[in-house]
Amino acid sequence: DTAVSQTPKYLVTQMGNDKSIKCEQNLGHDTMYWYKQDSKKFLKIMFSYNNKELIINETVPNRFSPKSPDKAHLNLHINSLELGDSAVYFCASSSRGNEQFFGPGTRLTVL
Amino acid sequence: RKEVEQDPGPFNVPEGATVAFNCTYSNSASQSFFWYRQDCRKEPKLLMSVYSSGNEDGRFTAQLNRASQYISLLIRDSKLSDSATYLCVVNIRGGGADGLTFGKGTHLIIQP
Repeated sequence: DTAVSQTPKYLVTQMGNDKSIKCEQNLGHDTMYWYKQDSKKFLKIMFSYNNKELIINETVPNRFSPKSPDKAHLNLHINSLELGDSAVYFCASSSRGNEQFFGPGTRLTVL
Repeated sequence: RKEVEQDPGPFNVPEGATVAFNCTYSNSASQSFFWYRQDCRKEPKLLMSVYSSGNEDGRFTAQLNRASQYISLLIRDSKLSDSATYLCVVNIRGGGADGLTFGKGTHLIIQP
């Protein structure tokens, strides 16, 4: 009964490939997020979706495309992976104005 | 200027001691403030929200100074299990669907 789950937990892939990371929350929250934590441990917001609508899109390359099929899911698709995309990607969810709950993270390594 | 700044540490503190962290934020319109805790190779988890009047949760006390744009966290009687990275977090945008702005974290090591 994990609150926010992500798959896969680890992803190792070659430069130039396209990959997706899935996120699901069973908390009934209406807002979901994607964050990136780089090798220096700096955690930065990438996207925010509220009721399946994109709210925040930080300066993220357009190779990154979030997709929200419903309120409980926010997937992240990455095209043409680059070395600099290697990081830990965290999904999170919240109910308006309240605490954000984070998933366990997906550790992406691009070779 | 970084939006949220913290001393990265590490802070090496003997068990039982009191330790304090600070952080500063640059946007005076920031609306809500938090301390999150992140253990090695784990996700961040909310430790406590920070209110203008200051608030306490067991051994943890958080303070906010809006005039100086400064947030603090005090840990009393530190335990080995308090070893972690403490992230100062600010909600800058306000309203719904807000992403959080994280500091880089302060690494705390409690030594036996």
